Amino acid sequence: GAVVSQHPSRVICKSGTSVKIECRSLDFQATTMFWYRQFPKQSLMLMATSNEGSKATYEQGVEKDKFLINHASLTLSTLTVTSAHPEDSSFYICSASSTSGPPYNEQFFGPGTRLTVL
Amino acid sequence: GENVEQHPSTLSVQEGDSAVIKCTYSDSASNYFPWYKQELGKRPQLIIDIRSNVGEKKDQRIAVTLNKTAKHFSLHITETQPEDSAVYFCAARGLSSASKIIFGSGTRLSIRP
Repeated sequence: GAVVSQHPSRVICKSGTSVKIECRSLDFQATTMFWYRQFPKQSLMLMATSNEGSKATYEQGVEKDKFLINHASLTLSTLTVTSAHPEDSSFYICSASSTSGPPYNEQFFGPGTRLTVL
Repeated sequence: GENVEQHPSTLSVQEGDSAVIKCTYSDSASNYFPWYKQELGKRPQLIIDIRSNVGEKKDQRIAVTLNKTAKHFSLHITETQPEDSAVYFCAARGLSSASKIIFGSGTRLSIRP
């Protein structure tokens, strides 16, 4: 089956530092990747959609200069949280899909990254 | 804008009884309705889905119904078991897997022994 990994699984950082989270599709080419944020006891909120080789499309209210997304290859997307602050502490989850080959129709989620900003 | 409403937010049922979670969506362009189960600290797991050209789908103890006219869809779990305890999310999306998923607010299901 389709597998999506994320790294790191957990990260603790000091306020003001930047953190990079990687999302990889291990056995398929992900033409589209999505980044979600989930606060405790809340739903997944879509932050942005990225297509390989294109600039990401951000949802309303998400600061593109703070949450930098790069989707430079068909197997890797990165999310960089710049100048992180305690309110950025959250569970960040990516998902990946392919429209150019199998597996069609479904989005596959990564295991998530727990970010804690002190 | 796109919105998916989900009820109830919490649900407690006796083991062996049925559980029903209901959702409504706003975007008429939505054609694909997945349901996810999420355990604490884990990724959402797709448990069942339904497309707009189908009114009902069943997979063992889980069934989903869709009323596209009313923009309602529901998840039914029968013969509930302790391992069914989790948070369940309904969602709506366009047909393409490149379409963004809009999630409902979630239902915390607890199964009482």
